[in-house]
Amino acid sequence: EPEVTQTPSHQVTQMGQEVILRCVPISNHLYFYWYRQILGQKVEFLVSFYNNEISEKSEIFDDQFSVERPDGSNFTLKIRSTKLEDSAMYFCASSGTGGRGEQFFGPGTRLTVL
Amino acid sequence: AQTVTQSQPEMSVQEAETVTLSCTYDTSESDYYLFWYKQPPSRQMILVIRQEAYKQQNATENRFSVNFQKAAKSFSLKISDSQLGDAAMYFCAYRSAMGAQKLVFGQGTRLTINP
Repeated sequence: EPEVTQTPSHQVTQMGQEVILRCVPISNHLYFYWYRQILGQKVEFLVSFYNNEISEKSEIFDDQFSVERPDGSNFTLKIRSTKLEDSAMYFCASSGTGGRGEQFFGPGTRLTVL
Repeated sequence: AQTVTQSQPEMSVQEAETVTLSCTYDTSESDYYLFWYKQPPSRQMILVIRQEAYKQQNATENRFSVNFQKAAKSFSLKISDSQLGDAAMYFCAYRSAMGAQKLVFGQGTRLTINP
């Protein structure tokens, strides 16, 4: 069964460093998303991506964040200068066309900023 | 903006019993989707069940079923014959059928299964 994959599973970084979180969506999906979940809190939407551009972003997704689909398979989230409060679980999700609305989630990347 | 509220931070149930998790939402839209996701300790998000707002029939998936009350904007999840493996955080989520396709999540309900 196709699945969304994410690497790394756990990333530890120093405050101020840049990190890139990687995702491989399900191959025939066209809509891609990043969500984050601070420990003990709800899952929050960051950004959606379709047709090689951002279709929507939340207030959390400020200038420190960027997304890219560098090739036909990967979807990346970059945080330019990490802050302590960026420590969270980051989930990638993808969705196909047809309006069924179902998003398939990857296993997540746990980001720890020291 | 749409909001999703889960008023039960924690619930517990005896193994083999039935439990219902509550969810309410607020929207001005008429066409949308509702979901329940399960998040076990591994923190993977697993889709449990989905409901299209235009369908009157409540969705069912094996031991999982929903009670969708569109007028009341209520979407509860019933788990029958609870099993130890059902222990997890459960999140209710809303998604518009048009335009923005983001999922809006509730705060979650932690479900404990007592053996």
